[in-house]
Amino acid sequence: DTGVSQDPRHKITKRGQNVTFRCDPISEHNRLYWYRQTLGQGPEFLTYFQNEAQLEKSRLLSDRFSAERPKGSFSTLEIQRTEQGDSAMYLCASSLGGPPYNEQFFGPGTRLTVL
Amino acid sequence: GNSVTQMEGPVTLSEEAFLTINCTYTATGYPSLFWYVQYPGEGLQLLLKATKADDKGSNKGFEATYRKETTSFHLEKGSVQVSDSAVYFCALSEKIQGAQKLVFGQGTRLTINP
Repeated sequence: DTGVSQDPRHKITKRGQNVTFRCDPISEHNRLYWYRQTLGQGPEFLTYFQNEAQLEKSRLLSDRFSAERPKGSFSTLEIQRTEQGDSAMYLCASSLGGPPYNEQFFGPGTRLTVL
Repeated sequence: GNSVTQMEGPVTLSEEAFLTINCTYTATGYPSLFWYVQYPGEGLQLLLKATKADDKGSNKGFEATYRKETTSFHLEKGSVQVSDSAVYFCALSEKIQGAQKLVFGQGTRLTINP
């Protein structure tokens, strides 16, 4: 399968715990995006990487959230001291570089439940 | 900021019915417009897109026309099938550093009954 993969698919945690999600983009894609989707809503942009550089962060990304893409390949999204409001589907997408817009291909998402 | 408003759901139709899902947007400049589909248990997939005014995007029998004068991008299909049951998202592109992010509507859940 050469699509975008995300791990884990589901995560249940207790409030106050830290969680980390992983995204593996399509191999030749140098752009990587994270979005968050809450129940009944459309995805909302969180952050964007071009290769290993994090070039854009939404104000939705509080200090408890950190994302990395250390070698310009896979990316991780960590949430510290989780809160119930963090419960959502976390989506990763990747695209080719070049023109400002190239099609973004989405992974299946990681569903986080904070108890 | 830029935003997308979609027709409230859920929408339930019988097979072979005509489908319209309304989408309007607010944006500065001239964004590209998209429809994404999310089938049960799967990731978002691009269904169609239009990059400038009066462009028509089409795929799998679905169509949408970029209407600048009404700031709309309504999704239509002449005859729906049970397999079209999914959640549909309208989206626009917004410039960020070196790329563009997607701004989505809230989604419309479509159920087609045989």
